[in-house]
Amino acid sequence: AQSVTQLDSHVSVSEGTPVLLRCNYSSSYSPSLFWYVQHPNKGLQLLLKYTSAATLVKGINGFEAEFKKSETSFHLTKPSAHMSDAAEYFCVVNTDTGRRALTFGSGTRLQVQP
Amino acid sequence: EAQVTQNPRYLITVTGKKLTVTCSQNMNHEYMSWYRQDPGLGLRQIYYSMNVEVTDKGDVPEGYKVSRKEKRNFPLILESPSPNQTSLYFCASSHGFVSPETQYFGPGTRLLVL
Repeated sequence: AQSVTQLDSHVSVSEGTPVLLRCNYSSSYSPSLFWYVQHPNKGLQLLLKYTSAATLVKGINGFEAEFKKSETSFHLTKPSAHMSDAAEYFCVVNTDTGRRALTFGSGTRLQVQP
Repeated sequence: EAQVTQNPRYLITVTGKKLTVTCSQNMNHEYMSWYRQDPGLGLRQIYYSMNVEVTDKGDVPEGYKVSRKEKRNFPLILESPSPNQTSLYFCASSHGFVSPETQYFGPGTRLLVL
């Protein structure tokens, strides 16, 4: 079965410093992996996706993630945090390609301090 | 603007009073799906539809019904709501063949069942 584990429930950084949100996955085959962001009282927005092409994936708003098969990881990074990055981030795996079910991690709340 | 819309955004109701949450997309997507989000559980799929008149159960279908009479609409029906259906609901859609794994989410509907 496919699953994802987000290693931190809360991450706090200062504005202008790097962001690292960690995600490990478990999959019996090469998975499709995603990062979604949810701002307070807003819907879910796709940040980036990995679908077995390049292992380094660039997304919107300066975010990127690297797929590391040897480490079963798909960590999300950004070189310099902005106040507007404060939100909840979900690592997601495509669980069932037939019904396109997505399995979400439990989420990481990112706090950005001025 | 390409989007998924849901109505209502907020709803308070009482046990047993039938309700419908509407979902509409303007991207001509074949696939649509409903999820519920609960604290600590991430998002779980309720029902999905691969195309018009084709629907099937997800992981947590009990107490819900759906219909897909038109491509753009995918309403979620709670015939007799109960307090354990208090949750945040998301509708999602994706293209049938172009990047089918990428799902676009609506803004969410927060439901409270008393």
